[in-house]
Amino acid sequence: AQSVAQPEDQVNVAEGNPLTVKCTYSVSGNPYLFWYVQYPNRGLQFLLKYITGDNLVKGSYGFEAEFNKSQTSFHLKKPSALVSDSALYFCAVRAFSYSGAGSYQLTFGKGTKLSVIP
Amino acid sequence: AAGVIQSPRHLIKEKRETATLKCYPIPRHDTVYWYQQGPGQDPQFLISFYEKMQSDKGSIPDRFSAQQFSDYHSELNMSSLELGDSALYFCASRRQANYGYTFGSGTRLTVV
Repeated sequence: AQSVAQPEDQVNVAEGNPLTVKCTYSVSGNPYLFWYVQYPNRGLQFLLKYITGDNLVKGSYGFEAEFNKSQTSFHLKKPSALVSDSALYFCAVRAFSYSGAGSYQLTFGKGTKLSVIP
Repeated sequence: AAGVIQSPRHLIKEKRETATLKCYPIPRHDTVYWYQQGPGQDPQFLISFYEKMQSDKGSIPDRFSAQQFSDYHSELNMSSLELGDSALYFCASRRQANYGYTFGSGTRLTVV
């Protein structure tokens, strides 16, 4: 089964400092990886994805993620954190399920709560 | 740009009642996914549809059913509601052969 793991329930970082939110994956075949952000009582907003190509993926709001095949990781990073970045971050992997006709659905990690301290 | 529209945004129901959640995908998106996110939990896949046919089934209770209509909108029908069904229900859509999944803002269901 394909899965992602987010080892940290919460990450605290001071405003202006770099931030990293960790994600590791377990897939068979080529991984298709995603990061989403969720603000309180809001939907999931797409940040970035890795499909193929350059290992450093740039996304929305100044976020980027580095795909590392040898470490099976896809950590989310930002050079300088903002208070407004405080939210819940989900890593996800696209997994094909053979149930029924089959579909490519997203399987999410447990989420990491990011708190940026002024 | 058009987004995924879910209605209603909030819904309060009593135990054993029924509820219907609606999802309107982005135009030309042919695949719809339903997810359930309990308090403090990650989104769990429920069911998906491609071209109006069910394509996959996840952890969806037998009390729930869903369908996708000819205009590609989808409805999630929930019967005999239980307190544990209280959650945020997301719909996502995408176009086959495209890697982008777009989520709606969700419907918050509270069962009392």
